[in-house]
Amino acid sequence: DTGVSQNPRHKITKRGQNVTFRCDPISEHNRLYWYRQTLGQGPEFLTYFQNEAQLEKSRLLSDRFSAERPKGSFSTLEIQRTEQGDSAMYLCASSLAEGADTQYFGPGTRLTVL
Amino acid sequence: AQSVAQPEDQVNVAEGNPLTVKCTYSVSGNPYLFWYVQYPNRGLQFLLKYITGDNLVKGSYGFEAEFNKSQTSFHLKKPSALVSDSALYFCAVRDTSGGSYIPTFGRGTSLIVHP
Repeated sequence: DTGVSQNPRHKITKRGQNVTFRCDPISEHNRLYWYRQTLGQGPEFLTYFQNEAQLEKSRLLSDRFSAERPKGSFSTLEIQRTEQGDSAMYLCASSLAEGADTQYFGPGTRLTVL
Repeated sequence: AQSVAQPEDQVNVAEGNPLTVKCTYSVSGNPYLFWYVQYPNRGLQFLLKYITGDNLVKGSYGFEAEFNKSQTSFHLKKPSALVSDSALYFCAVRDTSGGSYIPTFGRGTSLIVHP
């Protein structure tokens, strides 16, 4: 499968714990995006990378959230001190930096904070 | 600033009938427009996009969309609906004049195709 992959697919954690998600983009794609999606809403942008550089972060992204893409390939999204309001689907997408920059999405990681 | 609206939360259509899922947008410059489909507990799958040129764009699974600049719309259409088309559909817009690569997504429209 040469699409975007995300792990884990599901994560259940207790409030206050830290969680980390991983995204592996399509191999030749140099842009990588993180989104959050809650029920009844479209994806909300969190942050994006071009290669290893984090170029844009949403104002929605609290300081408990951090993302890395150390070698310009896979990316991790960490949430520290999780809160119940963090429960959502976390989506990763990747794109090739050309033309309309069409984004291709992974299957998502569903986070449930108890 | 860019924004997109999907005025219908749900669209119901009988199998074999034509379907339309509506999308309107607002941008300062010219738009890039996208449609995605999402099945339960899955990520979004790309269907089609408009960049420039022909106002009628054809995409995956028999879907097409018509770009209308005067009405700032980009409605998704299919001539004959299938039960398997039942899913959540998202429209997205990116303003080419803003310098950002981040699209704005609509809230989604649930398409239900009845047998």
